[in-house]
Amino acid sequence: DAEITQSPRHKITETGRQVTLACHQTWNHNNMFWYRQDLGHGLRLIHYSYGVQDTNKGEVSDGYSVSRSNTEDLPLTLESAASSQTSVYFCASSQGTGELFFGEGSRLTVL
Amino acid sequence: GQNIDQPTEMTATEGAIVQINCTYQTSGFNGLFWYQQHAGEAPTFLSYNVLDGLEEKGRFSSFLSRSKGYSYLLLKELQMKDSASYLCAVQSDYKLSFGAGTTVTVRA
Repeated sequence: DAEITQSPRHKITETGRQVTLACHQTWNHNNMFWYRQDLGHGLRLIHYSYGVQDTNKGEVSDGYSVSRSNTEDLPLTLESAASSQTSVYFCASSQGTGELFFGEGSRLTVL
Repeated sequence: GQNIDQPTEMTATEGAIVQINCTYQTSGFNGLFWYQQHAGEAPTFLSYNVLDGLEEKGRFSSFLSRSKGYSYLLLKELQMKDSASYLCAVQSDYKLSFGAGTTVTVRA
């Protein structure tokens, strides 16, 4: 069955360290997205991609970067982790204007 | 930009009906989605409206009025397992912008 997987599921890191969260989908979807979810804010879009070599900034992109070298993967990198980036991160994919399929989430704690 | 509003919390009794309202102001509109999210889990798709009117799917129905920037999700015959957060999301281009979510608690 097609799926979307995130790793790691849980990560604790220190302020200033670089962190990469992986996202891999086997749906063969063109569109991939990274969201963060915090209490009181719901899901906020960080970065998104509509295809290979395409990346775009979302509403909360500062301090984050992504790359899309193939259809299946959209890794999210925190260049220098900050405590404000402690959150649950969700990766999602879709095809066209269809529904988003979400990964299980990655819980990141920055100490 | 997008501005999407929905109530923070709602409580209802098992077997009852609950209606979750969502109002939105957007710079583009391709459709409106509703997702369900249980605590500690990923959101899962419930419904999609692109045209005005009611879409029915079993115990769940969703309504859209594009001219009013308004949607609602109707949950009928509530069950304990329906206790969850319900997220309203507006699609512009291919990306979704989400409201903060409505936590529904179902009581016996």
